[in-house]
Amino acid sequence: SQTIHQWPATLVQPVGSPLSLECTVEGTSNPNLYWYRQAAGRGLQLLFYSVGIGQISSEVPQNLSASRPQDRQFILSSKKLLLSDSGFYLCAWRKGRSGANVLTFGAGSRLTVL
Amino acid sequence: GQSLEQPSEVTAVEGAIVQINCTYQTSGFYGLSWYQQHDGGAPTFLSYNALDGLEETGRFSSFLSRSDSYGYLLLQELQMKDSASYFCAYKRGKLIFGQGTELSVKP
Repeated sequence: SQTIHQWPATLVQPVGSPLSLECTVEGTSNPNLYWYRQAAGRGLQLLFYSVGIGQISSEVPQNLSASRPQDRQFILSSKKLLLSDSGFYLCAWRKGRSGANVLTFGAGSRLTVL
Repeated sequence: GQSLEQPSEVTAVEGAIVQINCTYQTSGFYGLSWYQQHDGGAPTFLSYNALDGLEETGRFSSFLSRSDSYGYLLLQELQMKDSASYFCAYKRGKLIFGQGTELSVKP
């Protein structure tokens, strides 16, 4: 069966510090991978998605970046965090080349920037 | 443009039926999905409508009318554990989510 792991689960970072959130998927190959952000009490904002190694599409211009160094690994990074980067970050995957709208989410990483 | 609209919150009592509406506006459409998210947790998939009509999965049903750009999620026999946020979403290359409806189930 497929599983998705996301870490760290929570972190508190000062403004201007770097960020690295990691997501890995097991039990499948060539998944489509996604990073979403959710502000408190709000909807899910798509940040990045990837259909393959090294292929990243950015949805929102900001100080975040994403990388996919391996087929089942997706990393969200920032060189210098802003207060507005606080939120709940969710990684998700779905089968590549699938018409289904079924995303499976990781447990999330809750980031607080102080 | 592309957007989805759903009510921000709905309140219902245990055992009742509640309907959460979703209207969308997009230049391309590949089906409407529904997700549930409990407070502090990750969203989980509930239902998907690719074509017009009703899809039933246990106590939950989802309906789609493509001509009206409208869908809804119907929850029957409400239970306290159904208190959560519910999101509609459509796919246009990637999955775009609405702002979510917070459902509160009262005893």
